[in-house]
Amino acid sequence: KQEVTQIPAALSVPEGENLVLNCSFTDSAIYNLQWFRQDPGKGLTSLLLIQSSQREQTSGRLNASLDKSSGRSTLYIAASQPGDSATYLCAVNPDYGQFYFGTGTSLTVIP
Amino acid sequence: EAGVAQSPRYKIIEKRQSVAFWCNPISGHATLYWYQQILGQGPKLLIQFQNNGVVDDSQLPKDRFSAERLKGVDSTLKIQPAKLEDSAVYLCASSLAGGPFEQYFGPGTRLTVT
Repeated sequence: KQEVTQIPAALSVPEGENLVLNCSFTDSAIYNLQWFRQDPGKGLTSLLLIQSSQREQTSGRLNASLDKSSGRSTLYIAASQPGDSATYLCAVNPDYGQFYFGTGTSLTVIP
Repeated sequence: EAGVAQSPRYKIIEKRQSVAFWCNPISGHATLYWYQQILGQGPKLLIQFQNNGVVDDSQLPKDRFSAERLKGVDSTLKIQPAKLEDSAVYLCASSLAGGPFEQYFGPGTRLTVT
């Protein structure tokens, strides 16, 4: 069974700092990987999806990379803002449809 | 384009009572998922539908949980009878049937069992 780990569990940074969130998974045979953001009391918002044939995806200040061979993905956030404060979750899809989630990294950006 | 809709947003029940949650996916999304998210954890898949057929229900506690998706659109998840450990957020998501299976989530239903 796929195991997904996110470290650190919590991160606090000053506004304007660039930061990296980590996601690791145990089985490299994945179909795709998706990064989400979750605000308190809310559902999940899709940020980026990387297919297994891709190395990275970018959206605005966000860049996600995927290294299947090492079982790792990173989410890079440039020039962090207080509005980026949320929990960030990664989810791995080993075959079509089924996703396994990590426990998330809680990010606080201090003004 | 309307997102995934869920209701109710909050529900408080006593243990051994029953409860039902409703989900309406994004129009045209054939695949629908129900997840359970316990506080401090990532979502756990309970059941996955493709149209009105079940693709995966391996983690659904079938002695108390049931789900249906009539006509391949709306879906209902039911718990009967509820236990204290069922207190969680129940999330519904949908995706297109073909790849890359990007999932879109609804706002969730927060269930408290007392």
